[in-house]
Amino acid sequence: QQQVKQSPQSLIVQKGGISIINCAYENTAFDYFPWYQQFPGKGPALLIAIRPDVSEKKEGRFTISFNKSAKQFSLHIMDSQPGDSATYFCAASPPGYALNFGKGTSLLVTP
Amino acid sequence: KAGVTQTPRYLIKTRGQQVTLSCSPISGHRSVSWYQQTPGQGLQFLFEYFSETQRNKGNFPGRFSGRQFSNSRSEMNVSTLELGDSALYLCASSLVLGDSEQYFGPGTRLTVT
Repeated sequence: QQQVKQSPQSLIVQKGGISIINCAYENTAFDYFPWYQQFPGKGPALLIAIRPDVSEKKEGRFTISFNKSAKQFSLHIMDSQPGDSATYFCAASPPGYALNFGKGTSLLVTP
Repeated sequence: KAGVTQTPRYLIKTRGQQVTLSCSPISGHRSVSWYQQTPGQGLQFLFEYFSETQRNKGNFPGRFSGRQFSNSRSEMNVSTLELGDSALYLCASSLVLGDSEQYFGPGTRLTVT
């Protein structure tokens, strides 16, 4: 079964707006939560990641919010740009094991 | 530092044939993981290699196998290809076994006809 559930499946945001993608998980053994960005014809690129000892991590325009009690985490893209149009994947893994990926969110930022 | 490289980038095979895909990890990275990406199933873990040994394995049939060489380069083999094996096969490297921070290559697009 899908261990990480991601929503929405697709998202359209105007340039300058905030893009928000959400993920939920069930396995409390997960201790690493990365987000990947994938452009057509390319492999996923590690964007930002968080561990459960912090509730938020910011890198430039990208922020991860993490809610351990709700078992949810989200990616916020501030001041979204057309160049951010891509597919975004959340993932989670327990210590020493493979990443479990969400199904992906196709983001389109319109000019 | 060069990223993860995968060869070939594109491959067309016929059902029943076998195929070998190659992956060179980032210099200094010793762990290599393989994933299958399809529109329906998304990204699914195949296996992870470290020190020339398979350390973790996903839920795929035995037709999918791999190996790792002493220079950390890895190959993945699929035998008796089925139409459903058409996918993007991604290799990811990390510094050591169990290191969650993984860096992906561009993938090999396999089409089975």
